Amino acid sequence: DTEVTQTPKHLVMGMTNKKSLKCEQHMGHRAMYWYKQKAKKPPELMFVYSYEKLSINESVPSRFSPECPNSSLLNLHLHALQPEDSALYLCASSQDSGSYNSPLHFGNGTRLTVT
Amino acid sequence: AQSVTQPDIHITVSEGASLELRCNYSYGATPYLFWYVQSPGQGLQLLLKYFSGDTLVQGIKGFEAEFKRSQSSFNLRKPSVHWSDAAEYFCAVAPSGGSYIPTFGRGTSLIVHP
Repeated sequence: DTEVTQTPKHLVMGMTNKKSLKCEQHMGHRAMYWYKQKAKKPPELMFVYSYEKLSINESVPSRFSPECPNSSLLNLHLHALQPEDSALYLCASSQDSGSYNSPLHFGNGTRLTVT
Repeated sequence: AQSVTQPDIHITVSEGASLELRCNYSYGATPYLFWYVQSPGQGLQLLLKYFSGDTLVQGIKGFEAEFKRSQSSFNLRKPSVHWSDAAEYFCAVAPSGGSYIPTFGRGTSLIVHP
């Protein structure tokens, strides 16, 4: 069982919809991450939150909007997505982002399809 | 910037056979190295990591990896593969100074024949 929980598992949305992906961890980790993974490709970093503040934005389009309401929760708000945004979205957490002995723990992801 | 290369897209082995998955990295100093596994429809699970010290690292599920500085490699091995090992395997490298956030290789798909 994963200790990082992502909901929903699957999401189908139209290009005009607004939806949100949710991620939760209760390991006391202070860094949380969003990754995007296309089929047969490695995960690509999108955002990093460290101590509830956005520390890294990998030039992600503004139609993706992250939010970290508290140290256990991470959201990804989606608006006006394109079909090419269809992918597996992975959330991860680590003790913090500045410690070498702090590997990532991944959730099982949300499979997003944009129609 | 660091980078990691997994030269094999697919590897096919018979159940019970030994396994070696290759990983080469590019980084100016000794990086931090990881192997993750991803089963279909799942997230990534950490198999093992290398930071310093003993160059032979033991991980979960019977996997081990050896860091070879002279070859800039961190190959993953398992002496006897089980059908449940069929999955995607990602090597990752993180800089030894700075954010420690890993960069992933493209992955190697392991197929296990009965």
